[in-house]
Amino acid sequence: DQQVKQNSPSLSVQEGRISILNCDYTNSMFDYFLWYKKYPAEGPTFLISISSIKDKNEDGRFTVFLNKSAKHLSLHIVPSQPGDSAVYFCAASPFTQGGSEKLVFGKGMKLTVNP
Amino acid sequence: DGGITQSPKYLFRKEGQNVTLSCEQNLNHDAMYWYRQDPGQGLRLIYYSQIVNDFQKGDIAEGYSVSREKKESFPLTVTSAQKNPTAFYLCASRGFLWTEAFFGQGTRLTVV
Repeated sequence: DQQVKQNSPSLSVQEGRISILNCDYTNSMFDYFLWYKKYPAEGPTFLISISSIKDKNEDGRFTVFLNKSAKHLSLHIVPSQPGDSAVYFCAASPFTQGGSEKLVFGKGMKLTVNP
Repeated sequence: DGGITQSPKYLFRKEGQNVTLSCEQNLNHDAMYWYRQDPGQGLRLIYYSQIVNDFQKGDIAEGYSVSREKKESFPLTVTSAQKNPTAFYLCASRGFLWTEAFFGQGTRLTVV
């Protein structure tokens, strides 16, 4: 039973356009959400996070939106660049603002940004 | 440079043999984790350790064993009891927050 769902396995966008990556979760105990980015042959690296007390967090070209009532979050990349091509994992943590023992990951979504 | 290192990158094992995957970090992190990734699946937690000499089962611990004798090291043994061991294995360590987590490059294990 997947608690964190990334239903689209891949997304392809043109350079300069917006990329929107979606993530849904089922566990209402989750209150901290993170996005990780993974290049081939490398481990995932932290990208951006959001606490459930917020509905938006922005860091440069990356913005994460959280809709708690819908149990949905999305990652927006504007403008998209070819270097953003990677697999993006959505992850969720219960309680304590990301300091909890476990993190639950989605399946990942492969983003391709075409020049 | 601080980081986390997994070795080897690729590993082949004959069916029925145990094999140990290495994970070493010099980040002074207390918490370390082992995840498994299969095609079309997310990262699934095998084992984790919050402190030296202590570890906990994750969601798919059957057929695996770990030890945490040193803060820097968290080796994972894939035993012959693991029914489908062929997978990509990721090790991670973190500070207090998951925003401070580091992942290794992974080990791809193939059972032949």
